[in-house]
Amino acid sequence: EPEVTQTPSHQVTQMGQEVILRCVPISNHLYFYWYRQILGQKVEFLVSFYNNEISEKSEIFDDQFSVERPDGSNFTLKIRSTKLEDSAMYFCASRGTRGSNQPQHFGDGTRLSIL
Amino acid sequence: SQQGEEDPQALSIQEGENATMNCSYKTSINNLQWYRQNSGRGLVHLILIRSNEREKHSGRLRVTLDTSKKSSSLLITASRAADTASYFCATVRPNAGGTSYGKLTFGQGTILTVHP
Repeated sequence: EPEVTQTPSHQVTQMGQEVILRCVPISNHLYFYWYRQILGQKVEFLVSFYNNEISEKSEIFDDQFSVERPDGSNFTLKIRSTKLEDSAMYFCASRGTRGSNQPQHFGDGTRLSIL
Repeated sequence: SQQGEEDPQALSIQEGENATMNCSYKTSINNLQWYRQNSGRGLVHLILIRSNEREKHSGRLRVTLDTSKKSSSLLITASRAADTASYFCATVRPNAGGTSYGKLTFGQGTILTVHP
């Protein structure tokens, strides 16, 4: 069964450094998402991406965050200047069809640790 | 206000017993979904129920939705040790104008432990 893959599985970065988290969504999917989960807390929506542009973003997704789909397969999340509070699991998800009544498929996540 | 709050926060049962988890939400929804998360892994979609549906089954899973009470329940029958995981409900709300890009709003989750 096709799956969403994320790399790296664990990223350790110094505070203030830039980090890029990578995702390969399922190949024929049209909608792409990033979520994060701080340890012990619930999963929070960051951003959705459709038709090569951001369709919705949360208040967490400030100017330090950006997303890109540089080619037909990758979907990246960049954090420009990381803060300690950015430490979390970051999940990428994708969804195939038009309409929201379809499930999202999640990757296994990237654990981001900011030192 | 928090959308998608599950109870109980933790549930411990014996193998073979049924497990029931509840979820409440506060706004109108397009659909409600249940996901499972094994420790340190991603979220696995279990079942989706649309706002105009009342009950859905998938294998040992049964989900109900009561939009008048803004609540849902997930029942896992004949539980197995392998069902041990965290279970989350998540809602999809319509955006203003009716467009929805499918943003999921998650609850805090229920940690289910099934003892062999």
